[in-house]
Amino acid sequence: GNSVTQMEGPVTLSEEAFLTINCTYTATGYPSLFWYVQYPGEGLQLLLKATKADDKGSNKGFEATYRKETTSFHLEKGSVQVSDSAVYFCALSRGGTSYGKLTFGQGTILTVHP
Amino acid sequence: NAGVTQTPKFQVLKTGQSMTLQCAQDMNHEYMSWYRQDPGMGLRLIHYSVGAGITDQGEVPNGYNVSRSTTEDFPLRLLSAAPSQTSVYFCASSYTSLRPSYEQYFGPGTRLTVT
Repeated sequence: GNSVTQMEGPVTLSEEAFLTINCTYTATGYPSLFWYVQYPGEGLQLLLKATKADDKGSNKGFEATYRKETTSFHLEKGSVQVSDSAVYFCALSRGGTSYGKLTFGQGTILTVHP
Repeated sequence: NAGVTQTPKFQVLKTGQSMTLQCAQDMNHEYMSWYRQDPGMGLRLIHYSVGAGITDQGEVPNGYNVSRSTTEDFPLRLLSAAPSQTSVYFCASSYTSLRPSYEQYFGPGTRLTVT
C-alpha cells in the first residue's frame, strides 16, 4: 500500500537558519505529493504540491522537488522565521479519482527561536 | 465564506456513549472527508463522500458512521465510543476529488476524549 515517511522530529532552529525536512514515499504508479502545515490550534493548510516527476512546488519561501528516482519530496526553506513554527505534514494521493484520499506522514514539529 | 466549520471544539465522552461530530462547508464543494489525527501517526482517512447521497470507507472506518444528505453537511457518528477513539478529528472539503489542483480545505478540528 501507500506510505509516507518523514524525518524524525522535532526540529529546533534559530531564526534565519536553513530548513530541510525529509520526506520519502512508497506508492504504485505516479502519485501527487503535498506538504501541509498546521499552525497551533488550527486545521491543516496546503503549503505546496507537485503532481509529476521533477516538478517543483513552492510557496512562502518553501520549496520541494518531486524526485521519482529517490521517491522523495524534501521540504526546504533558505531562511526560517519564528512565524514558521508549526507542524509540517508530507502527504500523497494516488490520483485518478483518488485525489481526495490523502496518505500522510507522521508530521514534523518545527520550532524556530528568535 | 466561513469555510469548513466543525462543532464541538472539545468533547469528553464516557465509554459506550454515542455522539455526532458536525461538519459543514459553505463553498459548494462536492468532496468531503473525515480524518483522525493521532500522535506519531499523522492523519488517517475515516470516511469520505464524493457528493450528496454517496459515501465510502477510508482507511480506519470501524466504529464510525457517516451520511451526506446535503452538499453542505457531513456529520460523523460514533455509535458506541471507545477509548481507542480518543483523537483529534478533522473534516476536509474540496471542489472535487478528480484533480490535484483543487485544494483541500480543513476545518479547525474536534478534540475528543473517551474515558
